[in-house]
Amino acid sequence: EDKVVQSPLSLVVHEGDTVTLNCSYEVTNFRSLLWYKQEKKAPTFLFMLTSSGIEKKSGRLSSILDKKELFSILNITATQTGDSAIYLCATYTGGFKTIFGAGTRLFVKA
Amino acid sequence: DTEVTQTPKHLVMGMTNKKSLKCEQHMGHRAMYWYKQKAKKPPELMFVYSYEKLSINESVPSRFSPECPNSSLLNLHLHALQPEDSALYLCASQQRVGGNEKLFFGSGTQLSVL
Repeated sequence: EDKVVQSPLSLVVHEGDTVTLNCSYEVTNFRSLLWYKQEKKAPTFLFMLTSSGIEKKSGRLSSILDKKELFSILNITATQTGDSAIYLCATYTGGFKTIFGAGTRLFVKA
Repeated sequence: DTEVTQTPKHLVMGMTNKKSLKCEQHMGHRAMYWYKQKAKKPPELMFVYSYEKLSINESVPSRFSPECPNSSLLNLHLHALQPEDSALYLCASQQRVGGNEKLFFGSGTQLSVL
């Protein structure tokens, strides 16, 4: 059975800290790994990763994929209270199937 | 316009009611999805429409009935729901990126079944 496992499930940090969120996967037809941020209701797209070792960056957020070890990390530097959200990792396996992990709940204290 | 719009935002219904959830996107995406998300759980796929045809039904009970009137609209008709169907219902549309997909989600309908 395809699965995506995220860790930690929850995390509390102080503003200015750097955090690393982990995602491992076991899927039969890997196409891409995606990160979404879910604040309140709507998940919003952060990154799509298809190749190993190539870091994607957007401001204070960055992510990298290791296809040999089947994992990805999402880094957030200099965290702000607005980074508080659920971060969802997902894999796309083709045929309209995106499999989500349980998410990491991040809370950033002022 | 990169939005997926869902209405209503909140819905409370009894087990004998009939209601509909609506979703609209104008990004020209040709695949649209319904997901169900329970509290503290990941979104679970329910239905996918591709080019206005039902492509995936993840063994969803018949009390949920999807409809795709055109490429921009997606409805979910609800009838005789159970309290355990209370959840956040998310609509999404798909942007193809090479051989991959990127999903754009609406803000969801928070459904409570009494």
